[in-house]
Amino acid sequence: SSELTQDPAVSVALGQTVRITCQGDSLRFSFASWYQQKPGQAPVLVVYDKTHRPSGIPDRFSASASGDTASLTITGAQAEDEADYFCNSRDVTSNHAIFGGGTKLTVL
Amino acid sequence: QVQLQESGPGLVKPSETLSLICNVTGASISSYYFSWIRQSPGKGLEWIGYIHESGSTNYNPSLKSRVTMSADTSRNQFSLKLTAVTAADTAFYYCARDRLPHLVLYALDIWGPGTAVTVSS
Repeated sequence: SSELTQDPAVSVALGQTVRITCQGDSLRFSFASWYQQKPGQAPVLVVYDKTHRPSGIPDRFSASASGDTASLTITGAQAEDEADYFCNSRDVTSNHAIFGGGTKLTVL
Repeated sequence: QVQLQESGPGLVKPSETLSLICNVTGASISSYYFSWIRQSPGKGLEWIGYIHESGSTNYNPSLKSRVTMSADTSRNQFSLKLTAVTAADTAFYYCARDRLPHLVLYALDIWGPGTAVTVSS
């Protein structure tokens, strides 16, 4: 299957920890990347190669993967983390990119 | 600092061809893979395809019959053409660069701000 499944919405209390998951067969063979998108803005890469952060991304963002599931964890969520989060990876059969449907994170 | 900027008509008539340009400043397009991604209003991200300066392309199977991408190294830009558009092609269109040269990683670390395209008569 060339799909990535994400929970549509997740909420977290300010300062608490939240995990956003992404599930799909492609994740068994290919790294996930994670993007943050705020309203009216382009997506921003926050994690690549399963666990690495681009420069400028706070270290409260971390990621992991096991089997067919990748996870993005925000430790000590801040108000500015409220956004949509998308995962993506490579479909190894066709070599094209696939995106998850996105998770809307609300910080309470 | 590398920057991408999409441009093109904001309104396209049904059955016509959508044409967009992604202009790259701050670095050469050489060696990198660039993707086009679109986002319908209130929806998720849909990968359209990628282009390399060499002319290598890979398109989303769902759009492959209607998509053409090309690169112009002299102008440091690349283009997207989508034929026979319908209302379903109304979306925000982004171009984005893969993180490392010579590799297709789909870790898109530089994005343009995007451009809105509406398909309507």
